Amino acid sequence: GQQLNQSPQSMFIQEGEDVSMNCTSSSIFNTWLWYKQDPGEGPVLLIALYKAGELTSNGRLTAQFGITRKDSFLNISASIPSDVGIYFCAGKETSGSRLTFGEGTQLTVNP
Amino acid sequence: DAGVTQSPTHLIKTRGQQVTLRCSPKSGHDTVSWYQQALGQGPQFIFQYYEEEERQRGNFPDRFSGHQFPNYSSELNVNALLLGDSALYLCASSLWGADYEQYFGPGTRLTVT
Repeated sequence: GQQLNQSPQSMFIQEGEDVSMNCTSSSIFNTWLWYKQDPGEGPVLLIALYKAGELTSNGRLTAQFGITRKDSFLNISASIPSDVGIYFCAGKETSGSRLTFGEGTQLTVNP
Repeated sequence: DAGVTQSPTHLIKTRGQQVTLRCSPKSGHDTVSWYQQALGQGPQFIFQYYEEEERQRGNFPDRFSGHQFPNYSSELNVNALLLGDSALYLCASSLWGADYEQYFGPGTRLTVT
Protein backbone atom coordinates (compact mmCIF):
# COMPACT_ATOMS: atom_id res chain seq x y z
CA GLY A 1 0.00 0.00 0.00
CA GLN A 2 0.90 3.64 -0.12
CA GLN A 3 3.38 4.98 2.39
CA LEU A 4 4.14 8.51 3.45
CA ASN A 5 7.59 9.32 4.77
CA GLN A 6 7.49 12.33 7.05
CA SER A 7 10.58 14.08 8.36
CA PRO A 8 11.96 15.00 10.70
CA GLN A 9 10.48 12.70 13.36
CA SER A 10 11.05 15.35 16.05
CA MET A 11 12.28 18.92 16.36
CA PHE A 12 13.43 20.96 19.35
CA ILE A 13 13.55 24.68 18.63
CA GLN A 14 13.66 28.04 20.41
CA GLU A 15 10.68 30.34 20.43
CA GLY A 16 10.82 32.68 17.46
CA GLU A 17 12.60 30.26 15.13
CA ASP A 18 11.16 29.06 11.85
CA VAL A 19 10.30 25.39 11.32
CA SER A 20 10.15 23.25 8.20
CA MET A 21 8.90 19.68 7.79
CA ASN A 22 8.08 17.60 4.74
CA CYS A 23 6.41 14.48 3.44
CA THR A 24 7.21 12.30 0.47
CA SER A 25 5.11 9.56 -1.07
CA SER A 26 5.77 6.58 -3.29
CA SER A 27 2.56 7.37 -5.15
CA ILE A 28 0.68 10.37 -6.49
CA PHE A 29 -1.91 12.17 -4.38
CA ASN A 30 -4.45 14.70 -5.65
CA THR A 31 -4.88 16.38 -2.26
CA TRP A 32 -2.41 17.06 0.54
CA LEU A 33 -3.52 17.99 4.04
CA TRP A 34 -1.63 19.07 7.13
CA TYR A 35 -3.01 18.38 10.61
CA LYS A 36 -1.88 19.21 14.17
CA GLN A 37 -2.67 16.89 17.06
CA ASP A 38 -2.42 17.80 20.73
CA PRO A 39 -2.19 15.07 23.41
CA GLY A 40 -5.50 13.30 23.96
CA GLU A 41 -7.17 15.12 21.08
CA GLY A 42 -8.06 14.39 17.48
CA PRO A 43 -6.08 15.92 14.60
CA VAL A 44 -7.08 19.47 13.66
CA LEU A 45 -6.95 20.48 10.00
CA LEU A 46 -4.45 23.30 9.38
CA ILE A 47 -4.07 23.58 5.61
CA ALA A 48 -5.49 21.78 2.56
CA LEU A 49 -3.77 21.77 -0.85
CA TYR A 50 -5.55 20.77 -4.06
CA LYS A 51 -3.25 21.54 -7.01
CA ALA A 52 0.32 20.62 -7.86
CA GLY A 53 2.57 23.61 -7.21
CA GLU A 54 -0.02 25.31 -5.00
CA LEU A 55 1.35 27.42 -2.13
CA THR A 56 -1.14 28.20 0.64
CA SER A 57 -0.81 30.18 3.86
CA ASN A 58 -2.79 30.17 7.07
CA GLY A 59 -1.39 32.81 9.42
CA ARG A 60 2.19 31.83 10.27
CA LEU A 61 1.79 28.51 8.44
CA THR A 62 2.69 28.00 4.78
CA ALA A 63 2.36 24.72 2.89
CA GLN A 64 3.15 23.68 -0.65
CA PHE A 65 1.89 20.87 -2.89
CA GLY A 66 4.89 19.48 -4.78
CA ILE A 67 5.02 19.65 -8.56
CA THR A 68 5.42 15.88 -8.85
CA ARG A 69 2.32 15.41 -6.59
CA LYS A 70 4.40 13.08 -4.47
CA ASP A 71 5.53 15.53 -1.80
CA SER A 72 4.50 18.45 0.35
CA PHE A 73 6.12 20.67 2.95
CA LEU A 74 4.91 22.77 5.86
CA ASN A 75 6.68 25.85 7.23
CA ILE A 76 5.90 27.56 10.52
CA SER A 77 7.36 31.02 10.95
CA ALA A 78 8.23 32.73 14.23
CA SER A 79 7.26 29.73 16.39
CA ILE A 80 5.47 30.25 19.71
CA PRO A 81 4.96 27.85 22.66
CA SER A 82 1.42 26.92 21.58
CA ASP A 83 2.84 25.47 18.34
CA VAL A 84 3.94 22.46 20.41
CA GLY A 85 2.30 19.25 19.24
CA ILE A 86 2.48 16.54 16.60
CA TYR A 87 2.12 17.58 12.97
CA PHE A 88 0.84 15.06 10.43
CA CYS A 89 0.76 15.20 6.69
CA ALA A 90 -1.99 13.28 4.91
CA GLY A 91 -2.58 12.50 1.27
CA LYS A 92 -5.78 11.68 -0.51
CA GLU A 93 -5.69 9.37 -3.53
CA THR A 94 -7.12 10.30 -6.90
CA SER A 95 -9.95 7.83 -6.40
CA GLY A 96 -11.64 7.15 -3.10
CA SER A 97 -11.73 9.07 0.14
CA ARG A 98 -9.09 7.31 2.22
CA LEU A 99 -6.50 9.60 3.84
CA THR A 100 -3.00 8.15 4.18
CA PHE A 101 -1.08 9.72 7.06
CA GLY A 102 2.61 10.20 7.70
CA GLU A 103 4.21 9.12 10.97
CA GLY A 104 4.14 12.64 12.39
CA THR A 105 6.66 15.29 13.45
CA GLN A 106 6.82 16.01 17.18
CA LEU A 107 7.53 19.72 17.65
CA THR A 108 8.87 21.12 20.94
CA VAL A 109 9.25 24.89 21.35
CA ASN A 110 11.43 26.15 24.18
CA PRO A 111 10.42 29.58 25.53
CA ASP B 1 -21.96 24.90 15.17
CA ALA B 2 -21.32 21.51 16.76
CA GLY B 3 -18.14 19.77 15.75
CA VAL B 4 -17.57 16.03 15.56
CA THR B 5 -18.42 14.28 18.81
CA GLN B 6 -17.47 10.77 19.94
CA SER B 7 -18.43 8.58 22.85
CA PRO B 8 -17.26 7.22 25.13
CA THR B 9 -14.03 9.08 25.82
CA HIS B 10 -12.27 6.09 27.32
CA LEU B 11 -13.05 2.39 27.42
CA ILE B 12 -11.38 -0.63 28.99
CA LYS B 13 -12.27 -4.09 27.68
CA THR B 14 -10.98 -7.62 28.07
CA ARG B 15 -9.63 -9.80 25.27
CA GLY B 16 -12.42 -11.58 23.40
CA GLN B 17 -15.07 -9.01 24.26
CA GLN B 18 -16.94 -6.81 21.82
CA VAL B 19 -17.05 -3.00 21.78
CA THR B 20 -19.20 -0.32 20.13
CA LEU B 21 -17.97 3.23 19.61
CA ARG B 22 -20.18 6.12 18.51
CA CYS B 23 -19.73 9.23 16.40
CA SER B 24 -21.88 12.21 15.50
CA PRO B 25 -20.61 14.17 12.48
CA LYS B 26 -20.17 17.90 12.23
CA SER B 27 -23.37 19.74 11.45
CA GLY B 28 -24.05 19.68 7.71
CA HIS B 29 -21.78 16.69 7.02
CA ASP B 30 -23.12 13.39 5.68
CA THR B 31 -20.03 11.17 5.47
CA VAL B 32 -18.20 9.46 8.33
CA SER B 33 -14.79 7.81 8.22
CA TRP B 34 -13.17 5.81 11.01
CA TYR B 35 -9.44 5.65 11.73
CA GLN B 36 -7.33 3.70 14.21
CA GLN B 37 -4.33 5.46 15.73
CA ALA B 38 -1.83 3.31 17.62
CA LEU B 39 0.47 5.05 20.07
CA GLY B 40 3.19 7.02 18.33
CA GLN B 41 1.78 6.48 14.84
CA GLY B 42 -0.39 8.27 12.34
CA PRO B 43 -4.06 7.34 11.95
CA GLN B 44 -4.87 4.31 9.76
CA PHE B 45 -8.06 4.29 7.68
CA ILE B 46 -10.60 1.63 8.71
CA PHE B 47 -13.66 2.42 6.55
CA GLN B 48 -16.03 5.13 5.38
CA TYR B 49 -19.83 5.36 5.44
CA TYR B 50 -22.17 7.39 3.26
CA GLU B 51 -25.92 6.93 2.79
CA GLU B 52 -25.82 4.16 5.38
CA GLU B 53 -23.46 2.04 3.26
CA GLU B 54 -19.78 1.20 3.59
CA ARG B 55 -18.13 2.95 0.64
CA GLN B 56 -14.46 2.21 1.13
CA ARG B 57 -12.51 -0.05 3.43
CA GLY B 58 -8.93 -0.14 4.61
CA ASN B 59 -6.82 -3.17 5.46
CA PHE B 60 -8.71 -4.25 8.58
CA PRO B 61 -10.23 -7.69 9.33
CA ASP B 62 -13.94 -8.44 9.33
CA ARG B 63 -13.94 -8.15 13.13
CA PHE B 64 -14.24 -4.43 12.44
CA SER B 65 -17.69 -3.46 11.24
CA GLY B 66 -19.76 -0.33 11.19
CA HIS B 67 -23.09 1.24 10.67
CA GLN B 68 -24.45 4.61 9.69
CA PHE B 69 -27.87 5.84 10.75
CA PRO B 70 -30.33 8.07 8.84
CA ASN B 71 -29.21 11.07 10.92
CA TYR B 72 -25.63 10.46 9.62
CA SER B 73 -24.28 9.34 12.98
CA SER B 74 -22.19 6.20 12.95
CA GLU B 75 -21.01 3.28 15.06
CA LEU B 76 -17.83 1.26 14.92
CA ASN B 77 -18.04 -2.30 16.24
CA VAL B 78 -15.07 -4.50 17.02
CA ASN B 79 -15.60 -8.17 17.87
CA ALA B 80 -13.28 -10.66 19.53
CA LEU B 81 -10.97 -7.94 20.84
CA LEU B 82 -7.23 -8.50 20.74
CA LEU B 83 -4.55 -6.75 22.78
CA GLY B 84 -3.38 -5.14 19.53
CA ASP B 85 -6.72 -3.39 19.14
CA SER B 86 -5.73 -0.99 21.92
CA ALA B 87 -5.58 2.42 20.25
CA LEU B 88 -7.23 5.79 19.83
CA TYR B 89 -10.22 5.42 17.49
CA LEU B 90 -10.94 8.56 15.54
CA CYS B 91 -14.05 9.51 13.65
CA ALA B 92 -13.81 12.04 10.82
CA SER B 93 -16.73 13.72 9.11
CA SER B 94 -16.95 15.33 5.70
CA LEU B 95 -19.35 16.20 2.92
CA TRP B 96 -19.73 13.58 0.20
CA GLY B 97 -18.20 14.93 -2.99
CA ALA B 98 -16.05 17.32 -0.95
CA ASP B 99 -14.50 14.68 1.27
CA TYR B 100 -10.97 15.89 0.74
CA GLU B 101 -11.42 17.91 3.92
CA GLN B 102 -12.10 15.59 6.82
CA TYR B 103 -12.67 16.95 10.32
CA PHE B 104 -11.78 14.74 13.27
CA GLY B 105 -13.43 14.18 16.62
CA PRO B 106 -11.49 13.89 19.88
CA GLY B 107 -11.38 10.10 19.66
CA THR B 108 -12.16 7.17 21.92
CA ARG B 109 -9.23 5.65 23.78
CA LEU B 110 -9.73 1.86 23.84
CA THR B 111 -7.59 -0.27 26.12
CA VAL B 112 -7.78 -4.06 25.80
CA THR B 113 -6.41 -6.04 28.74
